[in-house]
Amino acid sequence: SAVISQKPSRDICQRGTSLTIQCQVDSQVTMMFWYRQQPGQSLTLIATANQGSEATYESGFVIDKFPISRPNLTFSTLTVSNMSPEDSSIYLCSVQGVGRGWSYEQYFGPGTRLTVT
Amino acid sequence: AQTVTQSQPEMSVQEAETVTLSCTYDTSESNYYLFWYKQPPSRQMILVIRQEAYKQQNATENRFSVNFQKAAKSFSLKISDSQLGDTAMYFCAFMNRYSGAGSYQLTFGKGTKLSVIP
Repeated sequence: SAVISQKPSRDICQRGTSLTIQCQVDSQVTMMFWYRQQPGQSLTLIATANQGSEATYESGFVIDKFPISRPNLTFSTLTVSNMSPEDSSIYLCSVQGVGRGWSYEQYFGPGTRLTVT
Repeated sequence: AQTVTQSQPEMSVQEAETVTLSCTYDTSESNYYLFWYKQPPSRQMILVIRQEAYKQQNATENRFSVNFQKAAKSFSLKISDSQLGDTAMYFCAFMNRYSGAGSYQLTFGKGTKLSVIP
């Protein structure tokens, strides 16, 4: 597995503002993903962060609302734009293919708890 | 699209006893992976156990084992000798084993909240 860190671990934000969440891995990985976990709910995939190209978004998620960057093989950011209280969730990054090899196991970061007031 | 169903929202077990969490899934694919993740109150998602669909042998990791019934599309998790640290949400998850759009996406069930009672 890999050591995955996320910043910030939690934040309270005003509606209408934006927050950028960082995900850092201690080794190169093939794939990185961003998930949302709404209160008391399961995890839903937002997008696959592609290194050097635009992210691939799942149905219901759009780039204008959740812009994603992945400048290299160890780092990605997710921005939650123009926030509303409905965006209050835990946001988790996950990685697959540690060491750039192939592996079907995904490992998760500790999550960022976002509260929008 | 694949769906994953966990029919037990909450369960409890006495410390040192055995508990089984249920999971069923629906897919038209024949090659895929199944996982159980644990999410303690600290919210860190931890991979507990994984199973490749093409393997008939059930996966085992220490006190955790699965009962994989491919024909029935069932994938239950058995926790033996339950410990207080096993208290957590447990999520069953499915991943297709193919390349292309949507590949490697994890589809999660709604979770089972397990409480281990001293």
